[in-house]
Amino acid sequence: GEDVEQSLFLSVREGDSSVINCTYTDSSSTYLYWYKQEPGAGLQLLTYIFSNMDMKQDQRLTVLLNKKDKHLSLRIADTQTGDSAIYFCAEKKEDNFNKFYFGSGTKLNVKP
Amino acid sequence: DTGVSQDPRHKITKRGQNVTFRCDPISEHNRLYWYRQTLGQGPEFLTYFQNEAQLEKSRLLSNRFSAERPKGSFSTLEIQRTEQGDSAMYLCASSLAGGGSPLHFGNGTRLTVT
Repeated sequence: GEDVEQSLFLSVREGDSSVINCTYTDSSSTYLYWYKQEPGAGLQLLTYIFSNMDMKQDQRLTVLLNKKDKHLSLRIADTQTGDSAIYFCAEKKEDNFNKFYFGSGTKLNVKP
Repeated sequence: DTGVSQDPRHKITKRGQNVTFRCDPISEHNRLYWYRQTLGQGPEFLTYFQNEAQLEKSRLLSNRFSAERPKGSFSTLEIQRTEQGDSAMYLCASSLAGGGSPLHFGNGTRLTVT
């Protein structure tokens, strides 16, 4: 979606940390989401954060939210080859219809 | 939890033909969404139901596209007189109502129009 921006590619070595970044433009967004998509599959929900939170951790995943700068990041610790996929950031706008808007995705390549 | 299922997984059709896709959401979810995804892009909103009511259609959705959710459970998306530009992955997702309930996606139907 035009309101959500992500860098296109990220390449890391196995065992390193990956940080995938996202910027959004609508300050009324109240929930922000991270999804993972593997080839030929649908989107798998990884985690999400409410906009009154700064950070959320779930096992190897850490989400950081800077609401002032409208910046969201997803950190994957100890990245594995199985983490290679496209990662999408999405925002939910609290308009009448509760629509979700997606970025264009960041392709993560994990080298062994 | 059987998840969201979509049928068929792949559809190849000739230009000008009609196609219909089916989505079965997670049973307790009352919201159902259709998205379209083309190569290298994120999902693009098409339409959304709450129970059987279609609450919004994207302005990008031409009148060749129609979606139904007759009993508030499964949904169908029909494309009439298909064009090559309709080739894409069609994703269905469902969610509970309210708050930050996330979307749960099916594996999509890949449409190829020749």
